[in-house]
Amino acid sequence: IAGITQAPTSQILAAGRRMTLRCTQDMRHNAMYWYRQDLGLGLRLIHYSNTAGTTGKGEVPDGYSVSRANTDDFPLTLASAVPSQTSVYFCASSVLTGGEQYFGPGTRLTVT
Amino acid sequence: AQKITQTQPGMFVQEKEAVTLDCTYDTSDQSYGLFWYKQPSSGEMIFLIYQGSYDEQNATEGRYSLNFQKARKSANLVISASQLGDSAMYFCAMREGSNGGFKTIFGAGTRLFVKA
Repeated sequence: IAGITQAPTSQILAAGRRMTLRCTQDMRHNAMYWYRQDLGLGLRLIHYSNTAGTTGKGEVPDGYSVSRANTDDFPLTLASAVPSQTSVYFCASSVLTGGEQYFGPGTRLTVT
Repeated sequence: AQKITQTQPGMFVQEKEAVTLDCTYDTSDQSYGLFWYKQPSSGEMIFLIYQGSYDEQNATEGRYSLNFQKARKSANLVISASQLGDSAMYFCAMREGSNGGFKTIFGAGTRLFVKA
């Protein structure tokens, strides 16, 4: 059982470029989340999805978009990357919204 | 104002001793949930323990227990019989809101060092 997979593992991206971070879960969880982790700030919620077909904004949504076309996949897109988006990005899922979350291994993104 | 406060950036504990990691929270919701997660140096986030705001008993999971003091709005994690493998970052988190509108907020974390 893979749980949650994220791709790529790491990426260096030029500012202004478009980038999609992929997230796939095989646990049939209803809810999925995207967080960014920055030193000293813990994890901050970017976007979430309570169920397939719905999405919502978290604490720091600006510059990011998501889609949830099906239960398993929850891609995060940076339309035009900026250096302040340099971070480690975690995808997570839970059986139901608000439950304990299971995390992917993370994507380390550097925007230069 | 901070929703989740973890006042200990770093903690040291001797192997086999117990350690308490502090967490205070701020919410006006009557129904909420509190979580603790562990992040080892390898980077993955691991769910440890959950406490619901209406739970009368403190949650326990093996060597982990959650000291829930509702009036003080604190949800401290107690790790008994520390092991070297417990060295990691620990994050306290709170879920607030209602169905369709839950948000989970994380604290800044506490780094625990277990000494041999």
